[in-house]
Amino acid sequence: NAGVTQTPKFRILKIGQSMTLQCTQDMNHNYMYWYRQDPGMGLKLIYYSVGAGITDKGEVPNGYNVSRSTTEDFPLRLELAAPSQTSVYFCASSGQTGVAFFGQGTRLTVV
Amino acid sequence: AQSVTQLGSHVSVSEGALVLLRCNYSSSVPPYLFWYVQYPNQGLQLLLKYTSAATLVKGINGFEAEFKKSETSFHLTKPSAHMSDAAEYFCAVSDRGNYGQNFVFGPGTRLSVLP
Repeated sequence: NAGVTQTPKFRILKIGQSMTLQCTQDMNHNYMYWYRQDPGMGLKLIYYSVGAGITDKGEVPNGYNVSRSTTEDFPLRLELAAPSQTSVYFCASSGQTGVAFFGQGTRLTVV
Repeated sequence: AQSVTQLGSHVSVSEGALVLLRCNYSSSVPPYLFWYVQYPNQGLQLLLKYTSAATLVKGINGFEAEFKKSETSFHLTKPSAHMSDAAEYFCAVSDRGNYGQNFVFGPGTRLSVLP
């Protein structure tokens, strides 16, 4: 049982480049989330989804976009990378138990 | 709106000593409460959760937490610290809305265990 899988684990981007962080879950969870983690700041919600075709903004959505075409996948898109987007990104999912399950994270550096 | 505060960004204890990590929350509805642990370069793992059953919740690795509604607290304890407990711990609150399950995390407490 893989749970929540994120790729890549590490990435270095130049300012202005774009990339997609991939997230997939195999638990048939309706809810999926993207968080960013900065030192001493806890986790901040970027976007979330309550099911395929439905997404909504979280606390810090600027500079990001998401889509949810299937129950399993919830990719996060950075269109014009900025140094302020240097962070560790976590994808999570939750279902009937109300517990969030997390991926291993993507460490992104923008230079 | 929900919020979570964790008193102490860094807590140090000696091996074998009591671990106490503090968490206070605010929520306009009866909450679900969680403690997660994060080891270096890993994702968050669930330690335990409170969902309105028993107020004393037991989790993995010998940890437990007590829900105190009057104090809006959900402190995490372990009677005897082990070196392997060194990690970052996050308290989180979730509402019970039917549309989405919104998790709000505290800033985290880094636990160091001294030999």
